[in-house]
Amino acid sequence: QSVLTQPPSVSGAPGQRVTISCTGSSSNIGAGYDVHWYQQLPGTAPKLLIYGNSNRPSGVPDRFSGSKSGTSASLAITGLQAEDEADYYCQSYDSSLSVNWVFGGGTKLTVL
Amino acid sequence: QLQLQESGPGPVKPSETLSLTCTVSGGSISSSSYYWGWIRQPPGKGLEWIGSIYYSGSTYYNPSLKSRVTISVDTSKNQFSLKLTSVTAADTAVYYCARQNDYGDLSWFDPWGQGTLVTVSS
Repeated sequence: QSVLTQPPSVSGAPGQRVTISCTGSSSNIGAGYDVHWYQQLPGTAPKLLIYGNSNRPSGVPDRFSGSKSGTSASLAITGLQAEDEADYYCQSYDSSLSVNWVFGGGTKLTVL
Repeated sequence: QLQLQESGPGPVKPSETLSLTCTVSGGSISSSSYYWGWIRQPPGKGLEWIGSIYYSGSTYYNPSLKSRVTISVDTSKNQFSLKLTSVTAADTAVYYCARQNDYGDLSWFDPWGQGTLVTVSS
């Protein structure tokens, strides 16, 4: 059971917009800790997609955006493309048990 | 461009110790701006942070694994290592090493190594 809760799966047609939620609590996202997002293409290592809630590293298309509010965060993908089909993970920090960087359980995005 | 590469001896038997090394190239592990972390992913499952180390040797461990984990750094070889003792089948996973910026509770992992699958089996 992950500390950060994500939907197991989402789907969308090419060109559509999808969002992936990441729900935490008062000891992690709600405490003000930043949320970061990773994309894991099939058979590869995770790659940083969004850092500091809403910032994109160089090379990440602006179709990807992040936001945070209260105890939750969201990743939005607009203009969905077949190459976006992957697993997406959120990550934050949880202060309930000493030092602990935590991940969400992951969301599988299927492009229909 | 910074690159990380995990390496290890292969399959591990139950109750034995899992040992992995991460070799960093394209940058110095002694940079004061970064931690160096280990993350694992059981087959078909999500990511779990194992622990992180600063170049000075300060370590931070996942409380759920702390009693079995040791992370160390060898600045002369630009490497850091993971030891996990008393392994069981539940420790079977792809193990990743990654750089972690030193923003403490605000930090993220980037870049990641390609990962290495460690199977625990008799």
